[in-house]
Amino acid sequence: AQSVSQHNHHVILSEAASLELGCNYSYGGTVNLFWYVQYPGQHLQLLLKYFSGDPLVKGIKGFEAEFIKSKFSFNLRKPSVQWSDTAEYFCAVTASGGYNKLIFGAGTRLAVHP
Amino acid sequence: DGGITQSPKYLFRKEGQNVTLSCEQNLNHDAMYWYRQDPGQGLRLIYYSQIVNDFQKGDIAEGYSVSREKKESFPLTVTSAQKNPTAFYLCASSIDREGNQPQHFGDGTRLSIL
Repeated sequence: AQSVSQHNHHVILSEAASLELGCNYSYGGTVNLFWYVQYPGQHLQLLLKYFSGDPLVKGIKGFEAEFIKSKFSFNLRKPSVQWSDTAEYFCAVTASGGYNKLIFGAGTRLAVHP
Repeated sequence: DGGITQSPKYLFRKEGQNVTLSCEQNLNHDAMYWYRQDPGQGLRLIYYSQIVNDFQKGDIAEGYSVSREKKESFPLTVTSAQKNPTAFYLCASSIDREGNQPQHFGDGTRLSIL
């Protein structure tokens, strides 16, 4: 069965620190990859997505993610975090050409201290 | 503005009672989804519908039921058979049924047991 693993459940950083959140998935076929973010009190929203092409994907608010097929990974990065990045981050996968069944990771709760 | 509306925002259920969570979208999306979010477990798929009058079970459908009589509406009933209903429920929709477009999420309904 497909699964998604997020390595860190809680991350605490100071402003201006660099961020990397790990995400690995298990599926042998072609996948579409997503990072969603849930800010406190807000709905889940798309941060970035990868379907094909350049494995380095840039999203909103300075976030980027790199798809490494050989490692089944899609790690999220940001060079310098801000207090407003405090949120819960979810990695998700769908099988390309499937029925759009999103498989989510458990989420990483990020707290950024000023 | 187009979007997904979930109601109510908070819902309380008595023992043995069925409750229905509303999800309406005006995005003209074919596909709609219900997820359950529990702390430390990410989101898990309950039911999904790719087209009107059709729906399929997700990973944790036991104790839940849905209907899809109209394109814009996908209500979820939490039945008395669901023994652990306390959770945050998220509805989503997508223009694409096959995993090639991201899903859009509502603000969620938090269900608690009285």
